[in-house]
Amino acid sequence: QVQLQESGPGLVKSSETLSLTCTVSGASISNFYWSWIRQSPGKGLEWIGYVDNNGVTNYNPSLKSRVAMSRDTSRGQFFMRLYSVTAADTAVYFCARLPLGSGDYYFDHWGQGILVSVSS
Amino acid sequence: QSAPTQPASVSGSPGQSITISCSGSDSDIGTYNAVSWYQQRPGSSPKVLIYEVRRRPSGVSSRFSGSKSGSTASLTISGLQPEDEAIYYCCSYAPFNKFALWLFGGGTRVTVL
Repeated sequence: QVQLQESGPGLVKSSETLSLTCTVSGASISNFYWSWIRQSPGKGLEWIGYVDNNGVTNYNPSLKSRVAMSRDTSRGQFFMRLYSVTAADTAVYFCARLPLGSGDYYFDHWGQGILVSVSS
Repeated sequence: QSAPTQPASVSGSPGQSITISCSGSDSDIGTYNAVSWYQQRPGSSPKVLIYEVRRRPSGVSSRFSGSKSGSTASLTISGLQPEDEAIYYCCSYAPFNKFALWLFGGGTRVTVL
């Protein structure tokens, strides 16, 4: 049974860096692509980016200049950093599995999400 | 790249069928069959219902079906049930300048009357 769990601070100050961790169980980090997706309060979903099964990253052009993703295969974790945050970055952040290596372009397992608020 | 367009809300009575549209463009839905649909209940994370336009993951009810015509994808819920009340999102693979990109629709709130 694949499970994902986000962790990190629930409050970040404006202009600082948002750092999140996703811990995966039931699947190997090395065998799949892993994504971050966010949902602003009362709004829809926005794909942020992924780290693939070789550690290569790909980001949404709208966030590319401020985001960095990485992984630690030994710990079964992958990470996201979002730099220079503003109030517009307040959202629930989800981590999700993307089985792109097998040709599937969808998100089949999601974490429960973590609300991150940006304060001034 | 623009997000696919979905109606804000759709409603139906128990037992009826409803269809949610997801209108994209020639560069995403019109070209790729990488369309997926997600159900999100309040306080929960999205759950995939459909992928590759019409494929259902194991465990998803056959009452959910997907289709595509041109650059518009659709999700049909047959035999509407009270537990189908949720927000439904479509998602399309929409590569941009040779980089991968996924775009979600704005979501459609389904109400069971």
